[in-house]
Amino acid sequence: DIQMTQSPSTLSASIGDTVTITCRASENIKNWLAWYQQKPGKAPNLLIYKASTLETGVPPRFSGSGSETEFTLTISSLQPEDFAFYFCQQFNAYPLTFGGGTKVDIK
Amino acid sequence: QVQLQQWGAGLLKPSETLSLTCAISGGSFGGYYWSWIRQSPGKGPEWIGELKHDYTSNINPSLKSRVTISADTYKNQFFLTLTSVTAADTGVYYCARAGSYEVMQYWGQGTLVAVSS
Repeated sequence: DIQMTQSPSTLSASIGDTVTITCRASENIKNWLAWYQQKPGKAPNLLIYKASTLETGVPPRFSGSGSETEFTLTISSLQPEDFAFYFCQQFNAYPLTFGGGTKVDIK
Repeated sequence: QVQLQQWGAGLLKPSETLSLTCAISGGSFGGYYWSWIRQSPGKGPEWIGELKHDYTSNINPSLKSRVTISADTYKNQFFLTLTSVTAADTGVYYCARAGSYEVMQYWGQGTLVAVSS
């Protein structure tokens, strides 16, 4: 299985900050990576796929980059509604695997 | 707008069988990938498996011996069966739809499943 490792596991930030979350794959997944946001008690919401393609309706303050084994999710000018749990997912190979997640909370 | 509504028993005893249903509205079954995913509190999700538009399935090898994913296309529903549950199977279970890329664009609301004697 392809292991997806996220860092940090928790990130404290303030409104207006720019934050970056990293996801590392245990092998080359090209750009077959997605990012999701999840709020407490809710289903996840797709933000980005193919490493950098923004899903329809997602604000442009979210951006993704990277390829092969290292990827980042950047949230520019953090808004109150962005405090949530974020995780990555590879779709290069079965079984599909997810990162352990990053909680972004208020400093 | 595609919506997935799921249901099933939320409390099971060890060795029992977990059965969940996911009903699809606002879209058709064909042409997509229909997944089941589970998540323990505060953790990243675990992909259980999927039913493809050709009605074949891919199952996570870690669960393959216990999982069946099937569908009733007339009712626009798909199902998860997980046999011989243990406490390790406790978590929130989601159904989800993926399109041409294997990313989950639509999710059910989640079902909390607890396994306890």
